[in-house]
This record gives sequence, C-alpha cells and structure tokens, in this order.
Amino acid sequence: GAVVSQHPSWVICKSGTSVKIECRSLDFQATTMFWYRQFPKQSLMLMATSNEGSKATYEQGVEKDKFLINHASLTLSTLTVTSAHPEDSSFYICSAIRTSQETQYFGPGTRLLVL
Amino acid sequence: EDQVTQSPEALRLQEGESSSLNCSYTVSGLRGLFWYRQDPGKGPEFLFTLYSAGEEKEKERLKATLTKKESFLHITAPKPEDSATYLCAVQAGGQNFVFGPGTRLSVLP
Repeated sequence: GAVVSQHPSWVICKSGTSVKIECRSLDFQATTMFWYRQFPKQSLMLMATSNEGSKATYEQGVEKDKFLINHASLTLSTLTVTSAHPEDSSFYICSAIRTSQETQYFGPGTRLLVL
Repeated sequence: EDQVTQSPEALRLQEGESSSLNCSYTVSGLRGLFWYRQDPGKGPEFLFTLYSAGEEKEKERLKATLTKKESFLHITAPKPEDSATYLCAVQAGGQNFVFGPGTRLSVLP
C-alpha cells in the first residue's frame, strides 16, 4: 500500500504564531494532495486540494490567507497555519493520490493545540 | 449537491454478533465509493473501493457491497479489535471525495 507521513504528529503553540505541517508521500508520486480538518467525533472536512506546481483550490469558507498551502514537489505538500488562534486547534489530516482513479491514502494526522 | 449519509451513528455489538453498516449517497455520476477505518487520533485507513452496482469486496471479517443508492459494510463475527469509526466516501465528477459522518463501532468482549 501507499504510505503517507505527516510531521509533526502534534504541536502546541502560542496564539499569534505560525505553524507549518508537512505531508509526504513516501513511496509514490502524488499528483494531488488534500488537506482535511477534523473536530472530535466529527467526520473529515475538506479544506483544500493542491496539485503539484499550481495554486491550491480552497473550499468555501476556508481562508486561503490563513491556511497557506504549498505543493512544491510530487512528494511534499505543506500547510501553514498563520497567526494561529485557539479556534484553529484541531486535528489536521492530509491525503494523497497517484491518479484520479485511485483512492486517497491518508497521513496519520497532526494534532494542533493553540494556547 | 453530492451527499453521503451513514447509519447508524453508533453501534455496539457483542463479540461474534454480526451486523451491517449503511452508507447512502446521492451523487451525479459515481466514480467510486470508498470505505475507510479510523482509529481515535489516527488518519483513516483504506479498506475498499467499489466502482459499480453489484460489486462486492471482502477482507477478513469485512465485506462491502454496492447498489445504485447505497453501500453496506457487513461485519461477520466481529472482534474487539474491529472497534473503530468506519467512514464512507464517494467520488463523483471531480477529484474531490465527499465523506459521510461515519459510524462509531464498539465491539464488546
């Protein structure tokens, strides 16, 4: 199966600081990566879709200036939460696919706590 | 608008007590239906992909089936380690997936 990693697995930061989360596809090239947010006991909420070398497509209601996404290579996408606030505390999960026909393979998630 | 619902919201079973989880969907042009398992604090783990009505797939104690309106995940003789949240997702015309809210399964020893 395809392996996707995320780093860090958890992070605690002060309000107003920025946090970068990395998502890597370890054994395949990902044409597309997705970023999700998940609140406790709720399902996944798609934040944005990123394709290598192009700007990310954000879902309605997601601030692109607050959640910066960079998909610099076929194996790496980053999500930067800028000027984080306590309400940004959540579980962030990335996923990657090789082609539009295949399933998404998910990373293990990053738990963010903003104090 | 593409929609996915799952039922029940939560299910408690005794070990060995077989049951089924439901995923109902309304999409324009289904490209694929996906089942995932998610343990607390972890990312979803891929289980099955179904592409057309009538298709079935099995893996150990799990069996997924698909009709034109819904999919079932059958769990035969579950064990406590099968306890998790089971997520259903559909892929329609675009590349995005629409996820259902999930079913939280608890299997008691």
